[in-house]
Amino acid sequence: DQQVKQNSPSLSVQEGRISILNCDYTNSMFDYFLWYKKYPAEGPTFLISISSIKDKNEDGRFTVFLNKSAKHLSLHIVPSQPGDSAVYFCAASGTGNQFYFGTGTSLTVIP
Amino acid sequence: DSGVTQTPKHLITATGQRVTLRCSPRSGDLSVYWYQQSLDQGLQFLIQYYNGEERAKGNILERFSAQQFPDLHSELNLSSLELGDSALYFCASSPRTHRGEAFFGQGTRLTVV
Repeated sequence: DQQVKQNSPSLSVQEGRISILNCDYTNSMFDYFLWYKKYPAEGPTFLISISSIKDKNEDGRFTVFLNKSAKHLSLHIVPSQPGDSAVYFCAASGTGNQFYFGTGTSLTVIP
Repeated sequence: DSGVTQTPKHLITATGQRVTLRCSPRSGDLSVYWYQQSLDQGLQFLIQYYNGEERAKGNILERFSAQQFPDLHSELNLSSLELGDSALYFCASSPRTHRGEAFFGQGTRLTVV
């Protein structure tokens, strides 16, 4: 049972435009959410996180939005750069000790 | 460099065999997680250890086992290997049991032939 879903396997965006990556979750007990970025032949690297007590967290070009009522989070990248081309995973955790990951969205930023 | 070291990077073995994957966490991190990524799949949580003790278990097959040693390195043992076990196996570490990001190693690519 996939508790964290990324329904868009891929996304292409022009350089300089906004990239919006979406993630949905089913478990209302999740209270901490993360985004990871993964380049080929490398492990995922942490990008940004958000606690359920917030609805927005910003770090430079990256902003994560959380809509708890919709069980939805999104990652905005503005402006998108070619170096942002990677696979992005969202992850969620609750009071347990597991991180549940989505299947990833492959972002391509076109120069 | 995340500071998490996984060995070997690549492993090719035959069906029915047993292999051991090794993970050295970041210095000071007490928590170690193992994940499996099969083709076109997300990261499937297998198991977590915290300071030598099993803390959480995910979708780990009975043929698989893991342990964390006193020096905090961890090993994932995969036995009676099947073709479907071919995947990338990632180890991650974090300072605490949860909350806060986990830092991933580069993974071990296992190919079962």
